[in-house]
Amino acid sequence: NAGVTQTPKFRVLKTGQSMTLLCAQDMNHEYMYWYRQDPGMGLRLIHYSVGEGTTAKGEVPDGYNVSRLKKQNFLLGLESAAPSQTSVYFCASTSAGEGTNGEQFFGPGTRLTVL
Amino acid sequence: AQSVTQLDSQVPVFEEAPVELRCNYSSSVSVYLFWYVQYPNQGLQLLLKYLSGSTLVKGINGFEAEFNKSQTSFHLRKPSVHISDTAEYFCARTGGFKTIFGAGTRLFVKA
Repeated sequence: NAGVTQTPKFRVLKTGQSMTLLCAQDMNHEYMYWYRQDPGMGLRLIHYSVGEGTTAKGEVPDGYNVSRLKKQNFLLGLESAAPSQTSVYFCASTSAGEGTNGEQFFGPGTRLTVL
Repeated sequence: AQSVTQLDSQVPVFEEAPVELRCNYSSSVSVYLFWYVQYPNQGLQLLLKYLSGSTLVKGINGFEAEFNKSQTSFHLRKPSVHISDTAEYFCARTGGFKTIFGAGTRLFVKA
């Protein structure tokens, strides 16, 4: 099993450009999450999904959109990138059976720089 | 609102010395607590978790944590650290569908 994978690993954008980050998991998990990690701020939840076709806002959703068209994939989109979105982005997933108290499995991260 | 506070942003320690990383959480009726470790340029992985039962929880790599309900703490300990333990450590709690993370403690083990 590959676990949770993220594409791409690195990306540099110019202000105003758009891009999509892809997260894929092969553990048949129902719940998926997108976080951003900034120095000294821990992980902040951007959006999450509790099932195919369902998404919800997290703590810092502004400037991002998500889609969960397939159970195994969770896409994070930036429509018009801003320097404030320079960060490391992590995807995670959890089984619904342990959804409210269980372990999250993380991808390796995507390092995004917006110039 | 539910919260997690890690009391130290950085902890330098010499190799083979003991270490404690401190974590406090906001009180609630039920609480599920976790410690994750993040090695450089990697994602987070689970060290240990407390769901119920024994208040002393043992995890991977010789780490353990003690759930203290009266002090609302969940401190992480290791009796003897190695250079390879250098990493960032995150305390977390779950609430509904979400997990709330502390700001992280950077453990730096010196030779």
